[in-house]
Amino acid sequence: GEEVAQTPKHLVRGEGQKAKLYCAPIKGHSYVFWYQQVLKNEFKFLISFQNENVFDETGMPKERFSAKCLPNSPCSLEIQATKLEDSAVYFCASSRNPYGYTFGSGTRLTVV
Amino acid sequence: QKEVEQDPGPLSVPEGAIVSLNCTYSNSAFQYFMWYRQYSRKGPELLMYTYSSGNKEDGRFTAQVDKSSKYISLFIRDSQPSDSATYLCAMSDNNAGNMLTFGGGTRLMVKP
Repeated sequence: GEEVAQTPKHLVRGEGQKAKLYCAPIKGHSYVFWYQQVLKNEFKFLISFQNENVFDETGMPKERFSAKCLPNSPCSLEIQATKLEDSAVYFCASSRNPYGYTFGSGTRLTVV
Repeated sequence: QKEVEQDPGPLSVPEGAIVSLNCTYSNSAFQYFMWYRQYSRKGPELLMYTYSSGNKEDGRFTAQVDKSSKYISLFIRDSQPSDSATYLCAMSDNNAGNMLTFGGGTRLMVKP
């Protein structure tokens, strides 16, 4: 399909619990990106993949965050031991060129 | 100082007005300049992109890039209440897998 599908739409976790978010990119798009949107509009880049390989992970807080894009499976972003400051909307995007990024609708994570 | 600066607004205009939205940036490596529209609780939607300097028009929307001044603009003609949203500028270099760098977004309200 021509949309990036993100699940779940909402996720509530107690502090210290694990959170796992999923993203199905558009078929034919070889690049997948994860962004974190906090404070209304601030977009923070987390990680990108070229197919199943990590392309750029400079934005990832590696102590607790991990991500994968395996063949024939949705990509995933996992947060171990969530903290209150992880509360944000997490967007996935996919593209096949430097300008045609398509974003999903996001997963709203609330850590209580 | 942020790499991409954008006035947060809100910008309130009457229906039918011409709207001007702007961003400044500091990184000379940026080659692709994009404008996204984001409705509340939705993902960003790509409106237009421009490569390097110049103008691009699409219906009521015109994007301009002035690389010498590191300044980009989006003009919306005959603004409609349905244009009310947050507008985000985003930029990237020539590589498809490289991340987008976003401005903080400008909230636009078009009043009937």
